[in-house]
Amino acid sequence: GAVVSQHPSWVICKSGTSVKIECRSLDFQATTMFWYRQFPKQSLMLMATSNEGSKATYEQGVEKDKFLINHASLTLSTLTVTSAHPEDSSFYICSARVLGLHTQYFGPGTRLTVL
Amino acid sequence: GENVEQHPSTLSVQEGDSAVIKCTYSDSASNYFPWYKQELGKGPQLIIDIRSNVGEKKDQRIAVTLNKTAKHFSLHITETQPEDSAVYFCAASPVLFRGSQGNLIFGKGTKLSVKP
Repeated sequence: GAVVSQHPSWVICKSGTSVKIECRSLDFQATTMFWYRQFPKQSLMLMATSNEGSKATYEQGVEKDKFLINHASLTLSTLTVTSAHPEDSSFYICSARVLGLHTQYFGPGTRLTVL
Repeated sequence: GENVEQHPSTLSVQEGDSAVIKCTYSDSASNYFPWYKQELGKGPQLIIDIRSNVGEKKDQRIAVTLNKTAKHFSLHITETQPEDSAVYFCAASPVLFRGSQGNLIFGKGTKLSVKP
């Protein structure tokens, strides 16, 4: 149980284009989903927290107009990187949590490369 | 806010030996402490967690201990195997229902290498 999937697993795009990453909880309802980015050999950096049906809460320094997050259902959250630039290249990971519980289950991550 | 320190940053052991990774946290309101294993190119996988009302928890070769007074917790892996090689992250989370989202604050990670 507690499986989280991400799609795509990797994506290469040109500078200036937008990329959408999907995060799904496969066997449970995720009232809260989190989006992280991770640079090589570094820890996970929380970008934003989203509760189903509500606007996402972004961490300080994360541009909400650049990283659009939608959590339209209890099993799906999406992260859209708008007008991507090479510095947005990173490993993006989502996690999901059930209401009232601490445990976060992570997806397998999406490797974004912007040329 | 919460700050989590993790040591060592790298750890190399021989197969069959034990490995210990230590973390300290700063916020006494934190009450949930998970450990994640991350293999190269993959997402973190929860391996064990502990809550502040428990001092120790075991799951086969893995154990976690928590000292609330000293604000530190440790991961113990016994009889290490080459497949234990990965980056391990500790994390701390505050109480969920005090106006906080209960976000995880991660340590910087420990790269464990188990040599056959």
